[in-house]
Parts: sequence; structure tokens; C-alpha cells
Amino acid sequence: GNSVTQMEGPVTLSEEAFLTINCTYTATGYPSLFWYVQYPGEGLQLLLKATKADDKGSNKGFEATYRKETTSFHLEKGSVQVSDSAVYFCALILTGGSYIPTFGRGTSLIVHP
Amino acid sequence: NAGVTQTPKFQVLKTGQSMTLQCAQDMNHNSMYWYRQDPGMGLRLIYYSASEGTTDKGEVPNGYNVSRLNKREFSLRLESAAPSQTSVYFCASSEGKVAGLKQETQYFGPGTRLLVL
Repeated sequence: GNSVTQMEGPVTLSEEAFLTINCTYTATGYPSLFWYVQYPGEGLQLLLKATKADDKGSNKGFEATYRKETTSFHLEKGSVQVSDSAVYFCALILTGGSYIPTFGRGTSLIVHP
Repeated sequence: NAGVTQTPKFQVLKTGQSMTLQCAQDMNHNSMYWYRQDPGMGLRLIYYSASEGTTDKGEVPNGYNVSRLNKREFSLRLESAAPSQTSVYFCASSEGKVAGLKQETQYFGPGTRLLVL
């Protein structure tokens, strides 16, 4: 079956530190990959996505590159802010399959001033 | 444009009581979903509706029923609430298949926090 594995949190950083949240996947076909972010008390919202190998998704200073050879989609940001404190979910949807995403368990990020 | 709205925001039930969680979207999306979110478990799909008039079970459907009332609305019903159903419930929607291309981004509501005593 399909699965998404994320690093366990919480990840605790100081403001302006470099962020990496690891995400790896297994899929029976060729997936599109997503990062969603959930701010406290809110629903999830799309942060970025990539639909084919070597594509780089980017938004709000966050980036992730679709690496087919390592089945990974790691999220990075060069300099985090306190306002980036949230839970981050990696997800995949199989191209040509159903519309149902497979989500990782989420990684909590806490950024201290 | 409100996106995805959910009511109520918070509810306390006693074991055995019933309730319906409401969800509506104003983006003319074809597909709608209900998830539950529990600590350490991520998001688990309860039911989904790929298009108006269809519904299908997800990963954890037991104890729930759904109704796709029209294209805009997708409700989730707990017939006899149990403490194990204490959770945060999220409704989401996506365009689904449009002109042969699949639009996959999901748009989430703000959630309903349910406590079953």
C-alpha cells in the first residue's frame, strides 16, 4: 500500500535557524507530493506541492524537492520565524488513482524567539 | 468566498447521544471528505464523496454515517456517540476531476472539536 513517513516531533528551533523536516514515501504508482501546514486552532492548508520527479515546490520561504530516487520530499526553510510554529503534514496522491491523499502523522515545529 | 465552513465549532455529548456535524463549501468542488485528527495519529479518513450523489467509506467509518445533501453540503452523523469518538473532525473539499485533469489540492475547514463523556 501507500504510506508517508515523517520525522517525529516536536522540532524545536531558535528564530532564524535552518529547518529540515524529513518525509519519505512508498507508493504503488507515481504520486504527486504535498506539504500542508496546520496553525494552532485551524484546519490544514496547502503549503506547497510537486507533481513530478525533480520538481521543486516553494512557498513562503519553504522549499521541497521531489526526489524519486530516494522517495523523499523533505521540507526546508533557511531562516524560520516564530510565526512558522505549526504542525506540518506530508502527503501523497497517486496520479491516475483515487483522489484520496495519504497523510503522514505530522511534525510539530516550535520556534522560540 | 468563505471556503469550507463547519458547524458547530465545539460540542460536548454524553455517551449514546446523537449529533450531526455540518460542512459546506462554496468553491463548486466535486469531492468532499471527512477526517478525524487524534494526537499521534495524524489524519484518518472517515468517509468521502467523490461527486454529488456518491459516498464511500474511508479508513475508519465505523460509528459514522454521511450524507452528501447537494454539491455544497456534506454532513457527518454520529448515531450513538462513544468516548472513542472524542476527536477533532475536519471537513475538506477538492475540485476532483475537471475536464479530464485531476485537481488534487484539498481545502480544509476550521474543524469541530467533539468531546464525548
